[in-house]
Amino acid sequence: DAMVIQNPRYQVTQFGKPVTLSCSQTLNHNVMYWYQQKSSQAPKLLFHYYDKDFNNEADTPDNFQSRRPNTSFCFLDIRSPGLGDAAMYLCATSNRNEQYFGPGTRLTVT
Amino acid sequence: QQQVKQSPQSLIVQKGGISIINCAYENTAFDYFPWYQQFPGKGPALLIAIRPDVSEKKEGRFTISFNKSAKQFSLHIMDSQPGDSATYFCAASSEYSSASKIIFGSGTRLSIRP
Repeated sequence: DAMVIQNPRYQVTQFGKPVTLSCSQTLNHNVMYWYQQKSSQAPKLLFHYYDKDFNNEADTPDNFQSRRPNTSFCFLDIRSPGLGDAAMYLCATSNRNEQYFGPGTRLTVT
Repeated sequence: QQQVKQSPQSLIVQKGGISIINCAYENTAFDYFPWYQQFPGKGPALLIAIRPDVSEKKEGRFTISFNKSAKQFSLHIMDSQPGDSATYFCAASSEYSSASKIIFGSGTRLSIRP
């Protein structure tokens, strides 16, 4: 039944140690999004893919990168995590207006 | 102009009461207005959505009221239950925008007292 799957659900990394979060979908949607959500805040869009076309938000730090090898999978790479990158990372997909979110990955930076 | 303003920031309602959350927008290009419900440690889930060609949409205990001229919309939760305690985000998007990016309100933390 799972439609948007994120792995792992919890990730602990060290300051400066690269980390990759993964997302997969069974909905066959064209668009995939990555959001960062900090406590008590709305999700903040980092970037999205429309098919293979990558669209970066203007204020997304260069430290964040993404890959989408095929329709089903999308990855978020954080090249050198800082303490300020500790957050919930949400993947979402959409076909038109409706966005479907995954359960999120809680990232802790030590 | 891209903002969606949401109020209140937090809300406490007695069980069985009506919970009301309000949102306002400025961009008249927005044509889709969803509400998301988020429980702690979970991703947001689409709860109900409305397009500006109707003034009200009801699904079970959840109703969206939409005022196009005032550029405001609100979520009403009737007969509020403790299980409704969550954070609610209103949002807006335009079908004409690239990949339907949605603009979130700042969120309302709702607590239903038993």
